[in-house]
Parts: sequence; C-alpha cells; structure tokens
Amino acid sequence: NAGVMQNPRHLVRRRGQEARLRCSPMKGHSHVYWYRQLPEEGLKFMVYLQKENIIDESGMPKERFSAEFPKEGPSILRIQQVVRGDSAAYFCASSPRGGGIPLQYFGPGTRLTVL
Amino acid sequence: DQQVKQNSPSLSVQEGRISILNCDYTNSMFDYFLWYKKYPAEGPTFLISISSIKDKNEDGRFTVFLNKSAKHLSLHIVPSQPGDSAVYFCAAIGSSEKLTFGTGTRLTIIP
Repeated sequence: NAGVMQNPRHLVRRRGQEARLRCSPMKGHSHVYWYRQLPEEGLKFMVYLQKENIIDESGMPKERFSAEFPKEGPSILRIQQVVRGDSAAYFCASSPRGGGIPLQYFGPGTRLTVL
Repeated sequence: DQQVKQNSPSLSVQEGRISILNCDYTNSMFDYFLWYKKYPAEGPTFLISISSIKDKNEDGRFTVFLNKSAKHLSLHIVPSQPGDSAVYFCAAIGSSEKLTFGTGTRLTIIP
C-alpha cells in the first residue's frame, strides 16, 4: 500500500514563473490537505480539499495560490508568478473518511526554490 | 497567533535515558493532540496521539501526557535510542480538521 506521493520532490523556478505541485493521496483516502513549512518554522495549514470540493482554504494566500482535487488524478497546488518568499517545503497529507482519530498521513514534500 | 508552542528548539539526551519534549497550547477547543517525528528531507511521520478527554496514552517507548488545566502536553521517550534523533512536532486538531503545528524540537540522542 503506497503512501502519499508528491512530485516533483524538488522544483526550481525563476521569479514570475508558475509552480505546479502534485499530490496523490493514499489509496482509499478522499481528504487531502496542503501545508507549507518555511525555514526554521513549523508546518502551516494552507487548504483542505475533498474530491472536486474545496472545504477550507483559510490558510491560502489571497493571490497567486490555488488548489484543486479533481475527480480523477492527483491534487494540484498551483502558484502563479512565484516570488522568493514562496521558497519553502510544501507537504501534502491525506486521511480517510470516518470517525476515530483524525490522523493525517504526510507525503515526502516538494521543496520549492525560487531564484 | 501561535496556538501551539514548543519553547525548546533543541534537546540533547544521553542514549538510554528519558527524553521529555514539551508543548503548550492556548485553544481549549482542540479535540486531539498528536506528535509527529520528522527526519530531514522527509515528511512528518505520525508517532502518537491523545484525545482531549484523556490524560495519558502509551505506546511502547512513547507516552504522551495531557494536562488540560495547564494547557500542556509532553512526550516521554524511554529509553532513548540513537534512531530517535529527529525533529518532533506537536500538533493539535479540532472540528475544522486542520492540524495546527508547533515550531518543533530537535532531539539529539548522544551515544
């Protein structure tokens, strides 16, 4: 049973370019979460999605950032016109539906470097 | 507004001794508290959790204690092993289903 997969693992972009980060949740998981970790900081929530729906995007910057989780395929976090301050590690997590402990399983992350 | 705080950025412990990592929170509406372990260039790995209605949960070498009146929790690792060297994040979750993380404590186990 493969874990949460993210690609690419490393992404280098120049200022003004677009960055697309992909996340495939664990099999059977229908909830996806994106978090960002800036250097020397903890992970910060960005967005929570279920298939074809954005449930909570309260942590997303108001401009340039968007996320989707289509019916088929991976979840995508898209950053338009990247700036140096977007350099960070972006982690995706997934969880199954249902009660019990609200456990989120994390992928290995995508490290974005903006030159 | 830091709702989950880990005030010790680093901790060094002798192999075989007990490691105690601390975490404070401000939001009394959190339902669960979780500890994640993170190695460099990897994602966080779930370690252990505790419900807000419990005061202790134990799993092998790992025990988490929750003091609701003090809004404080701690993770005890005993005995500490070299493979425990990592960054440990305390996290909390409520009805919103989003994890709120502390800034992490880097644990180094000295052989």
